[in-house]
Amino acid sequence: LAKTTQPISMDSYEGQEVNITCSHNNIATNDYITWYQQFPSQGPRFIIQGYKTKVTNEVASLFIPADRKSSTLSLPRVSLSDTAVYYCLVVRRDSSYKLIFGSGTRLLVRP
Amino acid sequence: GAGVSQSPSNKVTEKGKDVELRCDPISGHTALYWYRQSLGQGLEFLIYFQGNSAPDKSGLPSDRFSAERTGESVSTLTIQRTQQEDSAVYLCASSRDYQSTDTQYFGPGTRLTVL
Repeated sequence: LAKTTQPISMDSYEGQEVNITCSHNNIATNDYITWYQQFPSQGPRFIIQGYKTKVTNEVASLFIPADRKSSTLSLPRVSLSDTAVYYCLVVRRDSSYKLIFGSGTRLLVRP
Repeated sequence: GAGVSQSPSNKVTEKGKDVELRCDPISGHTALYWYRQSLGQGLEFLIYFQGNSAPDKSGLPSDRFSAERTGESVSTLTIQRTQQEDSAVYLCASSRDYQSTDTQYFGPGTRLTVL
């Protein structure tokens, strides 16, 4: 599976939009991009998944350019409760079911 | 309950003792996964169940680790003769099916401390 690279940490303020970019240069045709969120002392929680272009749900948006070598998770108007670690993962359809987590991006939202 | 539950939430044991960690998946979920999260290693896959069988045990660190699942429901992860390096948070997840793109729902984890 394609290795993912994302910033180790990011700082933001309440009410701002936060964009976390992940690179996955070796992504394959059957690969999907998935993001999980983890709060302290909790298990990871699925946020969003996409294949190409843009996906939006009630929590976030995921932007994937045509070459799919990167993706950007966008969190609109963050609050203090969005402080968490965000993981970008590549999942191969009909193949590898185990999730391979990288180091993630530690987002700190300040008041 | 509506989510994945794990017990105990915390376990402190002495080196050399055996421990059992329990996972109750979401009702109806056929796939169940165990992961381990430690400071030095991040979040790593241990074992996966499809129904009651475990097609992939490749992540188990040693033969001291074993897991079983009964009735396509509860799963138990057993660590024999615990070592200090086994200290970590053990996370269980379940998904509706075993398709790779199915969302995995994680429990809160069991924090294991081996003294």
